[in-house]
Amino acid sequence: QQQVKQSPQSLIVQKGGISIINCAYENTAFDYFPWYQQFPGKGPALLIAIRPDVSEKKEGRFTISFNKSAKQFSLHIMDSQPGDSATYFCAASIAGNTGKLIFGQGTTLQVKP
Amino acid sequence: DAGVIQSPRHEVTEMGQEVTLRCKPISGHNSLFWYRQTMMRGLELLIYFNNNVPIDDSGMPEDRFSAKMPNASFSTLKIQPSEPRDSAVYFCASSPGGARQETQYFGPGTRLLVL
Repeated sequence: QQQVKQSPQSLIVQKGGISIINCAYENTAFDYFPWYQQFPGKGPALLIAIRPDVSEKKEGRFTISFNKSAKQFSLHIMDSQPGDSATYFCAASIAGNTGKLIFGQGTTLQVKP
Repeated sequence: DAGVIQSPRHEVTEMGQEVTLRCKPISGHNSLFWYRQTMMRGLELLIYFNNNVPIDDSGMPEDRFSAKMPNASFSTLKIQPSEPRDSAVYFCASSPGGARQETQYFGPGTRLLVL
């Protein structure tokens, strides 16, 4: 119930293509859904986040799509670049719960030039 | 802003030795989190503090692990005795209070190898 399931585990995309990573959750009390990006040798960093009152949020080439009824959300990276190669984590939390995040297992993205 | 500071960045030790990892959160942040990252288990939350008080330590693997936060600017994660299966990257993260309390800022991590 507290889990966030992420897929795929790894993804290879050609430069200029669209990268799509999916996450699903069970706990309907979750109300904050961030995505974190992690480069090798670094800590994860917040990339983009969404709350369930909207179905989509876009920041540059990165878009979160949110389907509340299906309890799923996804990250789309448009015009993927080699510099986007990293590990991506989805997460979920309950507002006011001292900020505890439940992370997905991560997706390693490789963008080929 | 210096960000979250962790030390040491790398630690190699022998099985049975005590290991102490240190973290300095971002000034003014109210929550502090310790994570462990491995290929097999991904990113695991070990324990987190709010206003220096441990809130949830259900992720601490066993009694060999302990964490303290004596003040708002310092936390330690101790493993005693260490075992080879503790080899991992340990991250500390901090989070501000208020409306954006969910945003966590991660440190660079401590890469631990137990031989």
